[in-house]
Amino acid sequence: EPEVTQTPSHQVTQMGQEVILRCVPISNHLYFYWYRQILGQKVEFLVSFYNNEISEKSEIFDDQFSVERPDGSNFTLKIRSTKLEDSAMYFCASTRDTQETQYFGPGTRLLVL
Amino acid sequence: EDQVTQSPEALRLQEGESSSLNCSYTVSGLRGLFWYRQDPGKGPEFLFTLYSAGEEKEKERLKATLTKKESFLHITAPKPEDSATYLCAVLENRDDKIIFGKGTRLHILP
Repeated sequence: EPEVTQTPSHQVTQMGQEVILRCVPISNHLYFYWYRQILGQKVEFLVSFYNNEISEKSEIFDDQFSVERPDGSNFTLKIRSTKLEDSAMYFCASTRDTQETQYFGPGTRLLVL
Repeated sequence: EDQVTQSPEALRLQEGESSSLNCSYTVSGLRGLFWYRQDPGKGPEFLFTLYSAGEEKEKERLKATLTKKESFLHITAPKPEDSATYLCAVLENRDDKIIFGKGTRLHILP
């Protein structure tokens, strides 16, 4: 069964450093998403991406964040200058159609020191 | 104000003791309601999608139902391996983002 994959599974970085989180969505899916989950809190929407552009973003997704689909398979989330409060699990999700279920990857646990 | 509220926050059951988890939602127009299972340190794993009031879906010991204001996830004769956090999420008509509830932590005792 096809699945969303994410790398790395864990990332530790120093405050102020740039990080890139990578995702490979399910191959025939067209809509891509990033969510985050701070420890003990609910899953929160960050950004949606379709047709090589951002379709929607939350107030969390400020100028420090950017997304890119550099080739036909990868979808990346870049945090330019990490802050302590960026420590969280980051989940990528994809779907074939916005009416359908979003399938989630296993997540990247980001720890900012 | 939360648009998706799940109750209870946590539930402990004996193996075989059936129960229901609740998800109430307040959105302007529901496009879909989703149930996911999340194990510690893992991503949400899809269980069900419900689109309209009166719809029901079943999978093994789980059954999800939907009304105009809430959804229930019924678990029948649960086993310890059903222990997880169960997440409810909604998709509104106006955008593509899923709004999650805080989840119900379910613990099944052997």
